[in-house]
Formats: sequence, structure tokens, C-alpha cells
Amino acid sequence: NAGVMQNPRHLVRRRGQEARLRCSPMKGHSHVYWYRQLPEEGLKFMVYLQKENIIDESGMPKERFSAEFPKEGPSILRIQQVVRGDSAAYFCASSPRQDLNTEAFFGQGTRLTVV
Amino acid sequence: AQSVSQHNHHVILSEAASLELGCNYSYGGTVNLFWYVQYPGQHLQLLLKYFSGDPLVKGIKGFEAEFIKSKFSFNLRKPSVQWSDTAEYFCAVMRMDSSYKLIFGSGTRLLVRP
Repeated sequence: NAGVMQNPRHLVRRRGQEARLRCSPMKGHSHVYWYRQLPEEGLKFMVYLQKENIIDESGMPKERFSAEFPKEGPSILRIQQVVRGDSAAYFCASSPRQDLNTEAFFGQGTRLTVV
Repeated sequence: AQSVSQHNHHVILSEAASLELGCNYSYGGTVNLFWYVQYPGQHLQLLLKYFSGDPLVKGIKGFEAEFIKSKFSFNLRKPSVQWSDTAEYFCAVMRMDSSYKLIFGSGTRLLVRP
């Protein structure tokens, strides 16, 4: 059973370009979370999705950022018109259920550098 | 607002020294508690977790943590650290009534000198 797969591992974009980050959850997991880790900081929650639904986007910046988790295929975090401040590590986590014993499994992250 | 506080941002120890990293959270409801480790350039790995039951939990690589509900604390300990424990350690809280998302502390960077 493969773990949470994120690609690309490293992504370099020029200011103003679009960045697309992909996350394939573990097999059987229907809950996906995206977190951002800015340099020298801890991880901050961005968005929680289930298949075809955004459940909680309270941590998403109001502009330029969007996320989806289609019925088929990976979850996508999309950043339009990137700026230098978007440079960070973006981690995806998945979980199989939502109950008292749930835990999240993390991918290896995508390190976005905006030049 | 709910927060998770890790008191030590940087810790430097010699090998074989004992380790204790503090973690306090501010939420009073039902939570699950986690410690993650991030080795340089790598992803987060789960060290240990507390859901319920015995407040002293044991994790991988000789780590353990104690949940003290009255103090809202979940401190991480290891009796004797090794050079390979050099990493960043994150405490995290999962609230049962908030999308089950994780709220992370700011992390503690541990450097173990051989």
C-alpha cells in the first residue's frame, strides 16, 4: 500500500506563473488535507476536502489559491499568479475516516520556490 | 483562538543526554494529540499519538509522551538521545469538532552533538 504521494517534489516558478501541486491519498482514504510550511515556521492548515467537496477552507488565502479533489484522480492545490511569499513546503495528508481514532498520513511535500 | 505552544524553539544536547520537549494547547474539548518528527529535507513522520486511555504513550525510536489533562500538556521525552535524533519536532492537536484538522506548534529544532 503506497503512502501519500505528492508531485512534484520540487517546483520552481517565476512570479506571475501558476503552480499546480498534486496529491494522491493513500488507497482507501477519502479525506485530504493541505498544509503549508513557511520557512522557519510550523505547518499551517489550509484546506480539507472530501471527494468532490471542499469541507473546510478556513486556512486558504482568499485570493489566488484554490483546491479540488475530483471523483477521479489526485487532489490539486492551485496557486495562480505566484509571488515570492508563496515559497514554502506544501504538505498533503490523508485519512480514512473521521472518528475518535483517526490519524493523518503525510506525503513528502512539494517545495515551491518562486523566483 | 486555539493554539499549540512549544516552549523551546532550539535545543542542543550531547549524545546520551535526556530530552524533554514541552507542548501545551489551549483547547478544552476532546482532542487527539500527536508528535511528529521531520528530519532534514524529509516529510513528517509520526512519532507517537494519544487518543485515549493510558496517558503515558510510547512511540518509535524510544520516544514517549505524557498527556496531563489538567495542564493541557503533552510533553515529549527520551531518556538518552542519539546523534540521529537531530531533527525538528512538532506537536499537533486534532480537534474532534473542527474537521479533524491538525493544529501544529511552531516546532522545536533539536541538535544532538556526538
